[in-house]
Amino acid sequence: GAVVSQHPSWVICKSGTSVKIECRSLDFQATTMFWYRQFPKQSLMLMATSNEGSKATYEQGVEKDKFLINHASLTLSTLTVTSAHPEDSSFYICSARDGGFVETQYFGPGTRLLVL
Amino acid sequence: GQNIDQPTEMTATEGAIVQINCTYQTSGFNGLFWYQQHAGEAPTFLSYNVLDGLEEKGRFSSFLSRSKGYSYLLLKELQMKDSASYLCAAQDSNYQLIWGAGTKLIIKP
Repeated sequence: GAVVSQHPSWVICKSGTSVKIECRSLDFQATTMFWYRQFPKQSLMLMATSNEGSKATYEQGVEKDKFLINHASLTLSTLTVTSAHPEDSSFYICSARDGGFVETQYFGPGTRLLVL
Repeated sequence: GQNIDQPTEMTATEGAIVQINCTYQTSGFNGLFWYQQHAGEAPTFLSYNVLDGLEEKGRFSSFLSRSKGYSYLLLKELQMKDSASYLCAAQDSNYQLIWGAGTKLIIKP
């Protein structure tokens, strides 16, 4: 149980285009999902917390107009990187919280984004 | 403020035992998590502690002392595949995870 999928796993795009990443909880409902970014050999950085049916809460320094988050259902959250630039190239990882007693976060496999 | 401290890197020998320490300071506390992250992959959940004491799960055990703000992850009978980063994360009063920077564990034959 507690499986989270992410799609796509790899994206290569041209500078200026927008990229959409999907995060799905496959066998549980996730009221809350999280989006992280991780640069090579660095620690996880929380970008935003996504709550179903409401606006995402962004961490300080994360541009909400650049990183659009939609949490339309209890099993799906999407992150859209708008007008991507090479400095946005990174490993984007989502997690979903299971809402049980322990409220464990389970991670998706991640999406590698390369902006040329 | 909220803070998690864990060593940056540790080295151990295959077959041995290693203990990775973590100290935390959070606004409220709802548990301590350990995750494993292999290079190039997403983290995977290892353990959760909310009460004082030791939780054993196969070769891995996790300990918590709430009064000391301290936890450790104990790995026994180390295997080469245990080479990874180990992330300590404390859950605050809002159930948000406060992450440590991770401990890179290098296993040598």
